[in-house]
Amino acid sequence: AQSVAQPEDQVNVAEGNPLTVKCTYSVSGNPYLFWYVQYPNRGLQFLLKYITGDNLVKGSYGFEAEFNKSQTSFHLKKPSALVSDSALYFCAVRPSSNTGKLIFGQGTTLQVKP
Amino acid sequence: DTGVSQNPRHKITKRGQNVTFRCDPISEHNRLYWYRQTLGQGPEFLTYFQNEAQLEKSRLLSDRFSAERPKGSFSTLEIQRTEQGDSAMYLCASRSAGAGAYEQYFGPGTRLTVT
Repeated sequence: AQSVAQPEDQVNVAEGNPLTVKCTYSVSGNPYLFWYVQYPNRGLQFLLKYITGDNLVKGSYGFEAEFNKSQTSFHLKKPSALVSDSALYFCAVRPSSNTGKLIFGQGTTLQVKP
Repeated sequence: DTGVSQNPRHKITKRGQNVTFRCDPISEHNRLYWYRQTLGQGPEFLTYFQNEAQLEKSRLLSDRFSAERPKGSFSTLEIQRTEQGDSAMYLCASRSAGAGAYEQYFGPGTRLTVT
């Protein structure tokens, strides 16, 4: 079965420190991977994607993610966290189908403290 | 680019009633998705349209659910004979058909509460 796992329900970091939100996936074929962020009472906002090429992809708001095929991981990172980064983060994978539907992880709440 | 819009934003209904939600995708996007999100979970895929054709439906989409996209623009999702288990956030997303355009853009969602 194709799936996404986010092993941490919540990640706490201090402002200015680096942050990592973990994601592992299980999918047949070459994975298309995505990170989205959800703020309260708002829809999901696209952050970044990995389709092919360089394993380190950069996205919006200073976020980046590293694709690791051998570990089937796609961890989200940021060198210096901001209080405004506090939100719910979702990792998603696109199965190898023609429709492009996404399978999401259960989400990780990021709390950045001043 | 005005983004994906959804109406209503909130809907409270009594069990057994029918409800209909509307999604207006980004204007040039020909691909449209519906997802359902319950508290503490990630969105779950419900159905997919390419233009006006409904090309995939999830097993989550019981026969009480129906979706349409009659002219390949806006879409509606109807739930008949609502049940308390239908309470959730219903999200709509759209995607361009352009090369390399794999990401989906989401609307703010419609929160359904069935009492």
